[in-house]
Amino acid sequence: GQNIDQPTEMTATEGAIVQINCTYQTSGFNGLFWYQQHAGEAPTFLSYNVLDGLEEKGRFSSFLSRSKGYSYLLLKELQMKDSASYLCGAGSYQLTFGKGTKLSVIP
Amino acid sequence: DTAVSQTPKYLVTQMGNDKSIKCEQNLGHDTMYWYKQDSKKFLKIMFSYNNKELIINETVPNRFSPKSPDKAHLNLHINSLELGDSAVYFCASSRGRQGSTGELFFGEGSRLTVL
Repeated sequence: GQNIDQPTEMTATEGAIVQINCTYQTSGFNGLFWYQQHAGEAPTFLSYNVLDGLEEKGRFSSFLSRSKGYSYLLLKELQMKDSASYLCGAGSYQLTFGKGTKLSVIP
Repeated sequence: DTAVSQTPKYLVTQMGNDKSIKCEQNLGHDTMYWYKQDSKKFLKIMFSYNNKELIINETVPNRFSPKSPDKAHLNLHINSLELGDSAVYFCASSRGRQGSTGELFFGEGSRLTVL
């Protein structure tokens, strides 16, 4: 089966750093994905981890530990526009998403 | 220039009706998908279609049927609509099978409201 768990909501201050955690259990695994979804819009791809370790891309970094079934998305220098839902996804032929973490960035 | 486009964007209909949502991608991708996002924002895979191979999520009622006239199109047909079908339906595509490349390209979504 597929089970992906992430916090429902988080709040952080503009300019700060926030870490969004994700734990997963999937029957097949080809990688761990993070997507960003602004209200009323389509999800957009942020990152993909297939090997253990940290992948950095600008202000966003994503970490994976396959042995622990754990990932996190790290957002640095938070901006108001980062307020969105962040979806963790994993799987093989079909990507299964968690329920998303709604991040609110406050001044 | 839209990579993945779906129509209509909004659809309001009565219970019991049959409706279709169309999706087209101009990215040359091999695999297309339909996802359903309910009111709680849970994004759930419904179908994936790759080279005439259809993979169906077992929880999807058989009132839902995908139809692919060619590699660039994957339409979603829904029979006998029910109130619980109200949701936003997202079409997506990827190069190769999902998981091999990591990136899904989503359409803008079609918001279906069943009255």
